[in-house]
Amino acid sequence: GEEVAQTPKHLVRGEGQKAKLYCAPIKGHSYVFWYQQVLKNEFKFLISFQNENVFDETGMPKERFSAKCLPNSPCSLEIQATKLEDSAVYFCASSQTETETQYFGPGTRLLVL
Amino acid sequence: DQQVKQNSPSLSVQEGRISILNCDYTNSMFDYFLWYKKYPAEGPTFLISISSIKDKNEDGRFTVFLNKSAKHLSLHIVPSQPGDSAVYFCAASAYYNQGGKLIFGQGTELSVKP
Repeated sequence: GEEVAQTPKHLVRGEGQKAKLYCAPIKGHSYVFWYQQVLKNEFKFLISFQNENVFDETGMPKERFSAKCLPNSPCSLEIQATKLEDSAVYFCASSQTETETQYFGPGTRLLVL
Repeated sequence: DQQVKQNSPSLSVQEGRISILNCDYTNSMFDYFLWYKKYPAEGPTFLISISSIKDKNEDGRFTVFLNKSAKHLSLHIVPSQPGDSAVYFCAASAYYNQGGKLIFGQGTELSVKP
């Protein structure tokens, strides 16, 4: 499509439950990036993919977080055993190459209670 | 370690006047800089970018200036319009050393009053 699509828009989970977020990049874009916005104005890089391969995972928490980009499927970000501090807005962005402008989706707002 | 800083959390400007948003960075490896605009409950929207080999880039009402020696960039909006009211984020990347990941500033909330 012409825009980055993210689903769901909102997600509420009890502490300890699993959360799975989805991202469909712009058609023709080979790179997908995930960012976490915890406080109102702080973005943190999590992970990036080049097609289905992990490109950079230096921002991913070592435990509980995993991500995939499989052929012909939306990319996903999964959080096992969510914690209160995982409450944030998770943004996905895509770009044609790693040096091109990143275009962002509308985000998924995760609330862990 | 805040590598990209926007020291003004908010800015208020009269319609028709110039808005100047500032951004400072510490990492000399950054080679690409971008400005994004964000409305509440939406994703950041790309506005304008500049490569470290340039010192100015212009697109319509938006101009970005880069001062590498001072590690400072600024976004000028002329003339400012009420629809420009949003949070503006400066972002930087060290493409050839750290991949494409963006490092964001904390944002500046611009309010343009009619």
